[in-house]
Amino acid sequence: GQQVMQIPQYQHVQEGEDFTTYCNSSTTLSNIQWYKQRPGGHPVFLIQLVKSGEVKKQKRLTFQFGEAKKNSSLHITATQTTDVGTYFCAGPRQAGTALIFGKGTTLSVSS
Amino acid sequence: NAGVMQNPRHLVRRRGQEARLRCSPMKGHSHVYWYRQLPEEGLKFMVYLQKENIIDESGMPKERFSAEFPKEGPSILRIQQVVRGDSAAYFCASSPGAPGGQPQHFGDGTRLSIL
Repeated sequence: GQQVMQIPQYQHVQEGEDFTTYCNSSTTLSNIQWYKQRPGGHPVFLIQLVKSGEVKKQKRLTFQFGEAKKNSSLHITATQTTDVGTYFCAGPRQAGTALIFGKGTTLSVSS
Repeated sequence: NAGVMQNPRHLVRRRGQEARLRCSPMKGHSHVYWYRQLPEEGLKFMVYLQKENIIDESGMPKERFSAEFPKEGPSILRIQQVVRGDSAAYFCASSPGAPGGQPQHFGDGTRLSIL
């Protein structure tokens, strides 16, 4: 069945280091979305990528959508303690309803 | 603008009891989704509803689980005869239009604990 995989599952960095999480889909996606969930919180929408090869930036966060529209990455430059949380990628389910989420990458940052 | 409202935030039930989880979508949103999240797991799709209609319930167990989104009032996820394995965080999300191409707005979730 359709799968969305993320690596790594966990990442610990020192404040100021960079961080990258990778997302791979078993199927071609019409778009990919990224969400952030703080510990004890709920997922919050970050961004949506639609075009093949698209790159979008939000301050220190850079999002990429692969040429084949089957993979994506999120890169954070110079992490801060406020970046702590779990980052999920999600794509439309093949049924066309709702989203299928990856298991997420949990980022911890020590100062 | 109020976001997606879920209640209760925490719910404790004994095995065999019923659990009712409520979700009011954002104003203007008519598409509601329920997800289940286990510790250190992603969000697993359960059911997608529009007003008065279940559009896709393929992620919801066939037994003991049901969902509704009546014309008036919140969406309800109902779990009958709960078992320990039902312990999880249940999140509701809503979107203004067709799923897949729209960002989803999540509520704070209901943390269900089964004794």
